[in-house]
Amino acid sequence: ELKVEQNPLFLSMQEGKNYTIYCNYSTTSDRLYWYRQDPGKSLESLFVLLSNGAVKQEGRLMASLDTKARLSTLHITAAVHDLSATYFCAVGNAGNMLTFGGGTRLMVKP
Amino acid sequence: GAVVSQHPSWVICKSGTSVKIECRSLDFQATTMFWYRQFPKKSLMLMATSNEGSKATYEQGVEKDKFLINHASLTLSTLTVTSAHPEDSSFYICSKIDSSSYEQYFGPGTRLTVT
Repeated sequence: ELKVEQNPLFLSMQEGKNYTIYCNYSTTSDRLYWYRQDPGKSLESLFVLLSNGAVKQEGRLMASLDTKARLSTLHITAAVHDLSATYFCAVGNAGNMLTFGGGTRLMVKP
Repeated sequence: GAVVSQHPSWVICKSGTSVKIECRSLDFQATTMFWYRQFPKKSLMLMATSNEGSKATYEQGVEKDKFLINHASLTLSTLTVTSAHPEDSSFYICSKIDSSSYEQYFGPGTRLTVT
């Protein structure tokens, strides 16, 4: 059974600081997704990572995938308040279903 | 990005009644769609895979007679919560996948409250 673990589950950080969210998964997969969710809203797609070593960046967010270590990271650079949200990683399987991590609730303080 | 709509966006119903939630793919046909459920402050859990023209595939622990899924066309999947109870109150979200990019797109969600 595929298990996806994120850490930390909650992150409070100051504006301007850097931090990394980690996503570990238990079985082989080459499809890793990162989503953002604002309170009361659905999921907004951030990144799709499809190969070992894949790195993608959008603004202050950068995601990477190491399929050998079964690890993906979401790095936040110089955080701003607008990044406050819950971030989910999810692992895709052959049937295209997604197994989600527990989520990381990020709070960026001024 | 691809567009998925859901209707209604929120619904309140009484215990014992049934509620139908629609999920539409507005831009491209989707032979497969997915239904997820999210309880407050929790993650998303896959409920079932909706297959156009055939029976849905349910995840372990999800009652198929309680959560009826119909994928009657290439752009519409419906989830009916039958004989709803307060513990069915949740945020229900559907999704579809772009098979060329593997991008998975989520609908805006339906918040169900059963009183």
